Amino acid sequence: DAGVIQSPRHEVTEMGQEVTLRCKPISGHNSLFWYRQTMMRGLELLIYFNNNVPIDDSGMPEDRFSAKMPNASFSTLKIQPSEPRDSAVYFCASGGDTHYYGYTFGSGTRLTVV
Amino acid sequence: DAKTTQPPSMDCAEGRAANLPCNHSTISGNEYVYWYRQIHSQGPQYIIHGLKNNETNEMASLIITEDRKSSTLILPHATLRDTAVYYCIVRVLEAGANNLFFGTGTRLTVIP
Repeated sequence: DAGVIQSPRHEVTEMGQEVTLRCKPISGHNSLFWYRQTMMRGLELLIYFNNNVPIDDSGMPEDRFSAKMPNASFSTLKIQPSEPRDSAVYFCASGGDTHYYGYTFGSGTRLTVV
Repeated sequence: DAKTTQPPSMDCAEGRAANLPCNHSTISGNEYVYWYRQIHSQGPQYIIHGLKNNETNEMASLIITEDRKSSTLILPHATLRDTAVYYCIVRVLEAGANNLFFGTGTRLTVIP
């Protein structure tokens, strides 16, 4: 099991550009979460999918952020247009039905918007 | 809302036991105590969880007080690789629930 796979590991982009972060959850996990981590705000839950359906996106900061999960093995988080304050580490996590062992996190994508 | 209180930082000598406290005075009867840790630049990693009994696994031990209002994570023989931020979280075990909320955690530094 390769765990939760995120790409890219690092992304540097200019303000105003579109950014797409990618996540491949663990096979068999039916829940997927996107978190954002900054020094100021710590780890924040952005959006949560269950069986590929977005359940709660109340953590998405604004309309510039969108997330999709077209199938059980792939999810994207898109920022359009990006702003310097979006600079953060974005983590994807997946979990199974019972969540007994909590969630498994990916290694994250470090986004820098200049 | 993490519903837990942890000291912001702690030091521990290498080879000694690290005891990380957590207060969760408003915990509900069906909420579990979970511990995660985050080593620099990595994603959070599950350590252990429990409801009311003490738990032990290959990584750590979890001691929960009888009234369940506080708990202690014990790393029996801390190594330099245990230097990380440790998060204590309370959550219900509910399929499909998005209830893993991280607070500020305790930054543990293991000193050689």
